[in-house]
Amino acid sequence: DTAVSQTPKYLVTQMGNDKSIKCEQNLGHDTMYWYKQDSKKFLKIMFSYNNKELIINETVPNRFSPKSPDKAHLNLHINSLELGDSAVYFCASSQDVFSISTDTQYFGPGTRLTVL
Amino acid sequence: AQSVSQHNHHVILSEAASLELGCNYSYGGTVNLFWYVQYPGQHLQLLLKYFSGDPLVKGIKGFEAEFIKSKFSFNLRKPSVQWSDTAEYFCAVISYNQGGKLIFGQGTELSVKP
Repeated sequence: DTAVSQTPKYLVTQMGNDKSIKCEQNLGHDTMYWYKQDSKKFLKIMFSYNNKELIINETVPNRFSPKSPDKAHLNLHINSLELGDSAVYFCASSQDVFSISTDTQYFGPGTRLTVL
Repeated sequence: AQSVSQHNHHVILSEAASLELGCNYSYGGTVNLFWYVQYPGQHLQLLLKYFSGDPLVKGIKGFEAEFIKSKFSFNLRKPSVQWSDTAEYFCAVISYNQGGKLIFGQGTELSVKP
């Protein structure tokens, strides 16, 4: 009964490859997010989707493309992987980002991506 | 630039010592404030949050935090730490004028010696 789940947990790949990370939430939330945690453990938002629509798109290279087939899923596809993409990627969800007065984000277990 | 700042990068305490981790933010207007904890190798878990009302909020595992609006601060406290509190602690803020983005501080690593 995991609330926010991600697959895979670990991903090791070569530079130049294309890879995807999947995220699913069973909380009935409308909003989902992707965050990147770098080697210094700093967390930064990358994308946010509300009801399958992109609402936050930070200054992320266009090699990163999120896709939300439905509001319970938000996948992250990365093209032409680079060494600097190595990080832990966290998915999160919240009830409704537009209800800022009550909104709380819940995080998935993370995907550790290593680019060789 | 607007930001969330955590004062200590690494804090080392002995068991039973009291803990206070500082967090300051620079956003004006109404804010929602959070503390998350990340145990080694695990995901972020919500410790506590402040949206409105009593500025002293209590969270899980004996943690509490106090929102001081005049000081733009939201410090995390625990009267007596345990070895199991060893983790990374993140302060985070949502400001109404940031479009719902959760902005994190740089984290504080807490090491508790048995």
